[in-house]
Amino acid sequence: EPEVTQTPSHQVTQMGQEVILRCVPISNHLYFYWYRQILGQKVEFLVSFYNNEISEKSEIFDDQFSVERPDGSNFTLKIRSTKLEDSAMYFCASRGGRGRHEQYFGPGTRLTVT
Amino acid sequence: AQTVTQSQPEMSVQEAETVTLSCTYDTSESDYYLFWYKQPPSRQMILVIRQEAYKQQNATENRFSVNFQKAAKSFSLKISDSQLGDAAMYFCAYRSLYNQGGKLIFGQGTELSVKP
Repeated sequence: EPEVTQTPSHQVTQMGQEVILRCVPISNHLYFYWYRQILGQKVEFLVSFYNNEISEKSEIFDDQFSVERPDGSNFTLKIRSTKLEDSAMYFCASRGGRGRHEQYFGPGTRLTVT
Repeated sequence: AQTVTQSQPEMSVQEAETVTLSCTYDTSESDYYLFWYKQPPSRQMILVIRQEAYKQQNATENRFSVNFQKAAKSFSLKISDSQLGDAAMYFCAYRSLYNQGGKLIFGQGTELSVKP
């Protein structure tokens, strides 16, 4: 069964450093998402991406964040200058085309900013 | 803006028994989707069940079923014959059909423990 994959599973970085979180969505899906979950809290939407552009972003997704689909398979989230409060679990999700409403999540990347 | 509320931070059930997790939501929209996701200790988000707002019939998936009350804006999850593997955090989520991006709005979650 196809699944969303994410790498790395755990990333430790120092405050101020750039990180890139990688995701490979399900191959025939068209909509891509990033969510984050601070430990013990609910899952929060960051950004949605369709047709090679951002379709919606949340207030959390400020200028420090960017997303890219550099090729036909990868979907990346970059944080330019990490802050302590960026420590969280980051989930990538993908969804099929119109009429397909379920989002399938990857296993997540745990980001720890020290 | 839409909101999703899960008022039970923790629930407990005896193995083989039935448990119901509550979820309410607030929206002015008439068309939307509702989902329940399971998050075991591995923290992977696993889709459990979905419900289309235009369908009056409650969705079922094996031991999982929902009680969807559109007028009351309530969407509870019933787990029958609970198993040890059902122990997890459960999140209720809302998806607008008027939002092109299709983002999910999650509740705070309910931690379910299953006692042997």
